[in-house]
Amino acid sequence: SAVISQKPSRDICQRGTSLTIQCQVDSQVTMMFWYRQQPGQSLTLIATANQGSEATYESGFVIDKFPISRPNLTFSTLTVSNMSPEDSSIYLCSVAEVQETQYFGPGTRLLVL
Amino acid sequence: AQKVTQAQTEISVVEKEDVTLDCVYETRDTTYYLFWYKQPPSGELVFLIRRNSFDEQNEISGRYSWNFQKSTSSFNFTITASQVVDSAVYFCALSVPFGNEKLTFGTGTRLTIIP
Repeated sequence: SAVISQKPSRDICQRGTSLTIQCQVDSQVTMMFWYRQQPGQSLTLIATANQGSEATYESGFVIDKFPISRPNLTFSTLTVSNMSPEDSSIYLCSVAEVQETQYFGPGTRLLVL
Repeated sequence: AQKVTQAQTEISVVEKEDVTLDCVYETRDTTYYLFWYKQPPSGELVFLIRRNSFDEQNEISGRYSWNFQKSTSSFNFTITASQVVDSAVYFCALSVPFGNEKLTFGTGTRLTIIP
C-alpha cells in the first residue's frame, strides 16, 4: 500500500484564521479524498480531490469553507477557512485506485480556540 | 443510499477473552465492498480487511476472523484471545463501485481490553 503523510500532524488555531493541511503520497494515485472526524464521531467525507479540476464536494461542505487543491497525482491540500471551534476535528486524507481499498494518512488533529 | 450500523458503542472485555464486533449494512447495489478499519488512540486509520459482495467466504488472519452473511446483511468481526493492543475504535464501512468510491462508515465501536 502507498505511504501517506500529512502535515501538520496537529495544530492549535485561533478562531477566524485558516489552516492548510497537506497530504503527500509516495506514488501516483488516481483518487484522493478528504474526511473529517469530529470528536467522538465517525468519519464524514468532505470531498474528492480531482487532479486538474475542481474537487467534488459532499452535501453540507462548500468550496469557500474547504478549498481543495490537487496539482498532481501525489499531492493535495485542504484548507479550513475562517475557522470556528466547531471545526475542531481530525482531518484525514485517503487514497485509492478505482475499486480498490482506501488507505488513510495519519491525520491532522485541529483544535480551534 | 448506503448505511452501516454498528449498534455496539462501547465494549470492554478482560484480556484473553474473545469478542465480536457487529456490523449490519444496507445497500440496494448488488455489487459492493465491505471494510473494517482500526483506529488506535494515535488517530490513524488502519485497514484490516476488504470483502467483495460476491465472496461470502469467512476469513481468518491470526487472532482476527470475519463472518460475512449476505442473508442477514452482516459483516461481523471477532478477535480471539484479545490483547491490550487491540484496544481501539473499530469502524465498519461500505462502498459501491462507480459510486465515486465513497466510503460510508458506521459510527464505530470503542473496544477496551482490560489487563
